[in-house]
Order: sequence, then C-alpha cells, then structure tokens
Amino acid sequence: TQLLEQSPQFLSIQEGENLTVYCNSSSVFSSLQWYRQEPGEGPVLLVTVVTGGEVKKLKRLTFQFGDARKDSSLHITAAQPGDTGLYLCAGARHNFNKFYFGSGTKLNVKP
Amino acid sequence: DAGVIQSPRHEVTEMGQEVTLRCKPISGHNSLFWYRQTMMRGLELLIYFNNNVPIDDSGMPEDRFSAKMPNASFSTLKIQPSEPRDSAVYFCATSGGTHTDTQYFGPGTRLTVL
Repeated sequence: TQLLEQSPQFLSIQEGENLTVYCNSSSVFSSLQWYRQEPGEGPVLLVTVVTGGEVKKLKRLTFQFGDARKDSSLHITAAQPGDTGLYLCAGARHNFNKFYFGSGTKLNVKP
Repeated sequence: DAGVIQSPRHEVTEMGQEVTLRCKPISGHNSLFWYRQTMMRGLELLIYFNNNVPIDDSGMPEDRFSAKMPNASFSTLKIQPSEPRDSAVYFCATSGGTHTDTQYFGPGTRLTVL
C-alpha cells in the first residue's frame, strides 16, 4: 500500500488544455515535493512546499499544499508538449532525509 | 558539475549472478539514497546514507541486497544472487550543501535479470 496516492494515473490531453494532478494521504507530512521524470532519466525536483495552505507558482505550474498537510495538488495551465512526463509527489514525515514517493501520474500532452 | 553518476546504465544478467551497481555522488553532498523503480511498485527507497553511514535500510528487500559507502565519493548496491523479480531501474540520489531537502537523481541503471 502506497502512503501517497496520486490521481489520475494517466492523463492524455491536447495542447492548451488545463489539468490538475492530485496527491493524497491519510498521513501528515512535514514537507511535500513534486518531481517530473522524463523517459530514461531520473526525477527532477520542481518544488518543495512546507506550510499548510502554501501555494507556489512556477510559470504555468501551480502547486498547493493542503491546510492539514496531508494532500497536495499540481495545476498546469495551457499545457504544452514539453510538459509531457511522469509527475511524482513525495512527502517527508519527520525529516528531510526520508521521502515517500507517490505512484505517479503519467501526462501526455498532444500537439 | 557532472551531477550524480551511475554505472552501468544498462545491465542484463542471468538469474543467480551477482550484480553490482555503482554511484558517484555530487561533490560535497553528504546524503546518498538508493531507490528502485518498477511499474508495479513505483519509486521505493531502499537505503540511505548520511556521512557514509547507513541510516535507514528498512527498504532493502532481503538479504540478497547489500549497499556500501566506503567513502564520500562512491557507493555500491550489490544483489547476490540476482532473481528475475529484481528487474527494475535503480536510481542513486544525493543531497547536501545549502539545500539539504533537494535530492538530485542520477540517470539510473536499468537492470534486467533473465
């Protein structure tokens, strides 16, 4: 059983559409991270959120940490083919050294 | 900086053989993590080191798996004997310096055990 559940597992959309990916847990996390992974490569960190209710923006990507620090969402506005990849959330419970990764959302943005 | 270096990038071996995966961390990073990624189980933490000392190996599947970090520049993950269910992509990640919460992943080693 995964500590962090992501939904949806797969998402295929047209360029220009908006989308939201969810990361949920029954556990409280001290911090939560989002990564993007491209085929044949390791995950690359996009953002870290540490405060309940925190919202961070990275160009067309908006990340939110739930008030209770149990969940998070990633919203992409006007998706582009370059956004294609596997999006992973990861939560740390007590220290920054041990992160539990979610199951991942595979996004495909068609031109 | 070259980033985290892993070797080999691909390994194909037969069941029962010993497999050794290697990782060179980013210089100055004092934490090193070994992960395994499969379609079924996603990305799982196997073990992590801090200042070359194993801190948490609760994710190591069984005694066939062992990891060492003899110095700050090198770590190995060994599987002996290997089994087909060990087939996966194995990642090494390191963190340290001013951003201790940021893990930098290597490109991974794709292991296939026939």
